[in-house]
Amino acid sequence: DQQVKQNSPSLSVQEGRISILNCDYTNSMFDYFLWYKKYPAEGPTFLISISSIKDKNEDGRFTVFLNKSAKHLSLHIVPSQPGDSAVYFCAASGGGADGLTFGKGTHLIIQP
Amino acid sequence: DTGVSQDPRHKITKRGQNVTFRCDPISEHNRLYWYRQTLGQGPEFLTYFQNEAQLEKSRLLSDRFSAERPKGSFSTLEIQRTEQGDSAMYLCASTIWETGELFFGEGSRLTVL
Repeated sequence: DQQVKQNSPSLSVQEGRISILNCDYTNSMFDYFLWYKKYPAEGPTFLISISSIKDKNEDGRFTVFLNKSAKHLSLHIVPSQPGDSAVYFCAASGGGADGLTFGKGTHLIIQP
Repeated sequence: DTGVSQDPRHKITKRGQNVTFRCDPISEHNRLYWYRQTLGQGPEFLTYFQNEAQLEKSRLLSDRFSAERPKGSFSTLEIQRTEQGDSAMYLCASTIWETGELFFGEGSRLTVL
């Protein structure tokens, strides 16, 4: 039973365009959401987060949007750069579980 | 470097052998987590410690797995009688918060032949 779902295993975007990565969750008790970025052979690196009391959080080129009624969040990267090519994991905390619950990840490929 | 460090980075072993991984968290972090990641999956929770106390264990953690954090600082994860299905990346993370951001190490990749 996957509580955090990333339904797109991969996404290809042209350099300079906007990348939109999506994430859905099923546990309404989750109260904090995070995006992690992972390069091959490295551990995940924290990118941006959002509390359930907000609907948007922005940090430079990265913006996370949260739609609680739809149990959906998205990560926008604009403009996309070659160094953004990585696997992006959506994660959630709260919901009665300790630590973070992760999705399966989306492999973002930025094409020149 | 004051991040989370893990050792070894890569371990290749034969089926049936025992392996041990070590994690050194960020020094002021009292919470330490172990996750496992297999190909095509996100990190899956295994267990966590608050100081030296092991507070939760996932059902993924069979009786062949044991984790310790004897002095509330570094932690070890031991896998006994390894099986090919144990091949994965074992990730350690630490934090000071009850919920929120975890800081991950670079992982220890286990290959069981």
